[in-house]
Amino acid sequence: NAGVMQNPRHLVRRRGQEARLRCSPMKGHSHVYWYRQLPEEGLKFMVYLQKENIIDESGMPKERFSAEFPKEGPSILRIQQVVRGDSAAYFCASRPGQGHEQYFGPGTRLTVT
Amino acid sequence: GQQVMQIPQYQHVQEGEDFTTYCNSSTTLSNIQWYKQRPGGNPVFLIQLVKSGEVKKQKRLTFQFGEAKKNSSLHITATQTTDVGTYFCAGVESSNYKLTFGKGTLLTVNP
Repeated sequence: NAGVMQNPRHLVRRRGQEARLRCSPMKGHSHVYWYRQLPEEGLKFMVYLQKENIIDESGMPKERFSAEFPKEGPSILRIQQVVRGDSAAYFCASRPGQGHEQYFGPGTRLTVT
Repeated sequence: GQQVMQIPQYQHVQEGEDFTTYCNSSTTLSNIQWYKQRPGGNPVFLIQLVKSGEVKKQKRLTFQFGEAKKNSSLHITATQTTDVGTYFCAGVESSNYKLTFGKGTLLTVNP
């Protein structure tokens, strides 16, 4: 059973461009979470999704950020018009319906130049 | 909202010494989880504590959950170089399993 997959692992964008981060949860996992981690900081919750539904987006900035988890395909975290402050590691985690443990992907390290 | 504080931020020990990190929440937690993140890696689940006063052991690691369910600790006995990494506690919201992480304790071990 493959783990949580994220791509790309590293992404460099210029200010004003769009960043699109992908996350494929573990097989059989229907719950996906996105977290952001700044250097030497803990992970900050951004959004919680189930298939085709956003359950909790309380941690996500209201502007420029959006997330989806379509019926088919990976979950996508989209950042429009990136700014330098968006530079961070973005981790996706998934869990099965009845489980409490979250399985984290390797992360996408976004650098905005 | 829920806030989770963790101390110390850094801890450097000699191999063989013990290590403890402490976690405090501003609110009563339904349960708490601990994760380990190696440098450049992703967080890996270690354990979940649910009951007031609970103590769980994993080999050289001992996890405790306070009686009031507002604090927790992780103790490592006789550290090894493989223990290097950042240890995070995370408060769990029972409704949606959203995690609120502490800032972590970075452990370095001198061989």
